[in-house]
Amino acid sequence: EDKVVQSPLSLVVHEGDTVTLNCSYEVTNFRSLLWYKQEKKAPTFLFMLTSSGIEKKSGRLSSILDKKELFSILNITATQTGDSAIYLCAVVPLYGQNFVFGPGTRLSVLP
Amino acid sequence: GAVVSQHPSRVICKSGTSVKIECRSLDFQATTMFWYRQFPKQSLMLMATSNEGSKATYEQGVEKDKFLINHASLTLSTLTVTSAHPEDSSFYICSARDRSGTVHQPQHFGDGTRLSIL
Repeated sequence: EDKVVQSPLSLVVHEGDTVTLNCSYEVTNFRSLLWYKQEKKAPTFLFMLTSSGIEKKSGRLSSILDKKELFSILNITATQTGDSAIYLCAVVPLYGQNFVFGPGTRLSVLP
Repeated sequence: GAVVSQHPSRVICKSGTSVKIECRSLDFQATTMFWYRQFPKQSLMLMATSNEGSKATYEQGVEKDKFLINHASLTLSTLTVTSAHPEDSSFYICSARDRSGTVHQPQHFGDGTRLSIL
């Protein structure tokens, strides 16, 4: 059974801190891994990773995938209160259309 | 960018009522739409995959007679929660994948519907 595990499940930091969110997975025939940010409503897409070792970067956020060790990390530097959200990791199997979501990491950034 | 509109955003109704939730792709055609359910502080749980013009594929444990899905066009899918009960109260989110892309593309999510059954 395909599975995605995220850690930590909850994290509280102060503005300016750097955080690393972890995502590990077990999936039959991996296609890609995606990171989403969910605030009050719909998840918004952050990154899609398909190849190992290639860092994707968007502003203060960056992510990288290790297909050998079956995990990905999402880094957020110089955190702001607006970064407070649930960060979801999802894996797409090679066959089929469904995404397998992890439980999410709830990040709270205090002023 | 791709936009998915979900309506209504909030429903409060009495037990036994049937509730219909609409999911529309506004600027792209979506052959496939997904319906998720999310409990407080938990992740998204896939309920069913909706393919235009065919029957939806339900995940194990999801009652197809309870959660009716219709995907009549390339831009609209509906989820009807029939004879809703308090245990059906949850946050329901739909998502869609652009027809022109491959399955490799990320899903675009609607804003969700918070359903409260009294």
